[in-house]
Amino acid sequence: GAVVSQHPSRVICKSGTSVKIECRSLDFQATTMFWYRQFPKKSLMLMATSNEGSKATYEQGVEKDKFLINHASLTLSTLTVTSAHPEDSSFYICSADLISRTSGVNEQFFGPGTRLTVL
Amino acid sequence: DAKTTQPTSMDCAEGRAANLPCNHSTISGNEYVYWYRQIHSQGPQYIIHGLKNNETNEMASLIITEDRKSSTLILPHATLRDTAVYYCIARRASGYSTLTFGKGTMLLVSP
Repeated sequence: GAVVSQHPSRVICKSGTSVKIECRSLDFQATTMFWYRQFPKKSLMLMATSNEGSKATYEQGVEKDKFLINHASLTLSTLTVTSAHPEDSSFYICSADLISRTSGVNEQFFGPGTRLTVL
Repeated sequence: DAKTTQPTSMDCAEGRAANLPCNHSTISGNEYVYWYRQIHSQGPQYIIHGLKNNETNEMASLIITEDRKSSTLILPHATLRDTAVYYCIARRASGYSTLTFGKGTMLLVSP
């Protein structure tokens, strides 16, 4: 399957600082990438859809000014958590859509996740 | 996308087949059934998807009932590494469509 990477895998920061998380599709181009957040013992919650060359679409309840998304190329999307607070501590996961050559349907491939801890 | 219902948890002995059920009684004709799994502290991993025919790949088999209201994911010979949360998701296969994750089934494979 297609490979999606994330960097960093783990980050600890002080309250009030900003943190940037990168998501890359390594062996394919992705016009659409997605950002999820997962709190302990909870399921993944979609935060936003990132479209290359255009503004991201945010889910209800997600602050677009706090979670800045940039999708400047077909292989890279970034999520910046601005003025991070302890309640932003979570597991952030990105994914990218790919149309399968064998089945012709959309398949979504996920990155390994980034563990953010805000002190 | 149609809502899916899965048991909260299941146990399986190592080497035995693990059969994970999923109900999707409101699935529409253009929605596929996708299965993903998430091992602790990792990103979800795609397993398999199907529309109405049974499917098999190197990881698992997917059995979909004729009325498409339910399906079963089969791991033929479960190993300890298959311990994970398994998610069954109904999703349109073409065009832009997000994945909505429910609570999934926590599968525990024991020696």
